[in-house]
Amino acid sequence: QSALTQPASVSGSPGQSITISCTGTSTDVGSYNLVSWFQQHPDKAPKLMIYEGAKRPSGISNRFSGSKSGKTASLTISGLQAEDEADYYCCSFGSSGTWVFGGGTRLTVL
Amino acid sequence: QVQLQESGPGLVKPSETLSLTCTVSGGSISSYYWSWIRQPPGKGLEWVGHIYYSGTTSYNPSLKSRVTISIDTSKNQFSLKLSSLTAADTAIFYCARLGGWDLPLAFDIWGQGTMVTVSS
Repeated sequence: QSALTQPASVSGSPGQSITISCTGTSTDVGSYNLVSWFQQHPDKAPKLMIYEGAKRPSGISNRFSGSKSGKTASLTISGLQAEDEADYYCCSFGSSGTWVFGGGTRLTVL
Repeated sequence: QVQLQESGPGLVKPSETLSLTCTVSGGSISSYYWSWIRQPPGKGLEWVGHIYYSGTTSYNPSLKSRVTISIDTSKNQFSLKLSSLTAADTAIFYCARLGGWDLPLAFDIWGQGTMVTVSS
């Protein structure tokens, strides 16, 4: 299985919106509604931000939203804040009962 | 609330076998899936494998020949064994809950991670 494809970096100014894409294949993102997104600050464990493509766990700001079209999932962060600066990873369930992560995207808040 | 804590050696020699344990506190290990995920220094996340409380497992195909995940419901623990180690296995290893009968399939709770260095 190959890693999901994410842009290496994105940036935005405070208050703006950004979108991070996550492209997979017909055997993972394209076939299952089991895409999740994680935020990871330096030297911290990843934190679940979105699951099942578009659902937010309790306590996650509604500034974070997820969507999917075909083989590509997306994470949108609106009203960017300095604390959003972090690495973001997507993850999808795949065939044969396996899971695959994206390579990660570094978000810089300018 | 449920918390996870990894334990094991921080330094292992090449060719040896790594053994890590994840202790689940604040809730039962039963009825859920549990997973190991690793992250080499400065790199991305890699799913290693998962186990259901019944003992059913699934492994990353790239690691399958070297990985064994087991579970001890009486101790509320699950474990990872990774054999034939090389320097490329140096990473932070995280244990995580994957969900189950009353929870969605997502890695919703993570341990703090434990750094494992493979070096002679």
